[in-house]
Amino acid sequence: AQSVTQLGSHVSVSEGALVLLRCNYSSSVPPYLFWYVQYPNQGLQLLLKYTSAATLVKGINGFEAEFKKSETSFHLTKPSAHMSDAAEYFCAVRHTGANSKLTFGKGITLSVRP
Amino acid sequence: SAVISQKPSRDICQRGTSLTIQCQVDSQVTMMFWYRQQPGQSLTLIATANQGSEATYESGFVIDKFPISRPNLTFSTLTVSNMSPEDSSIYLCSVERVPETQYFGPGTRLLVL
Repeated sequence: AQSVTQLGSHVSVSEGALVLLRCNYSSSVPPYLFWYVQYPNQGLQLLLKYTSAATLVKGINGFEAEFKKSETSFHLTKPSAHMSDAAEYFCAVRHTGANSKLTFGKGITLSVRP
Repeated sequence: SAVISQKPSRDICQRGTSLTIQCQVDSQVTMMFWYRQQPGQSLTLIATANQGSEATYESGFVIDKFPISRPNLTFSTLTVSNMSPEDSSIYLCSVERVPETQYFGPGTRLLVL
């Protein structure tokens, strides 16, 4: 079985500060990993994905994530937070086989202080 | 990526009634998915809809409560039947376009009174 753990429910940073959102996964086989963002009153937007190519993945809006197999982690980072980054962020995992389901973490709310 | 639209974008309904949510994709896809996001919660998969076959429901979801249609490769509907306040949620459809990657619609925000 696969699962995703996002510790904490809320992260608050100052504008211009480093953003670090943690994601740990549990999977019996190397998975595909995703980060999605949900802005208020919107659907989910794909930020970035890891599909067994480069371990450091760059996404949209300046975000990136590093796949660390030894730590079973896929943390999301951004060097400098912007007010527009305030949103809900979801980490998700799926196996590489056909008909595999996408499993989401519980999400984490990012607030950005002026 | 994929361009996905959903109708309605939001609705307020009375308990005991039913609401049908539409999902339209800009080009043909094999698999479409329906998710529920309860207030303050993560996404839970309701069912997978393939064209030409019955939808596959996840544990805890049944066809009588959430009937799904998939008449062609660009369209699907989800009906929330005999609604109660507990059905108040965001309902999202998604498609798998690039291999192993799902793209989501904007969601339908449902409030049941």
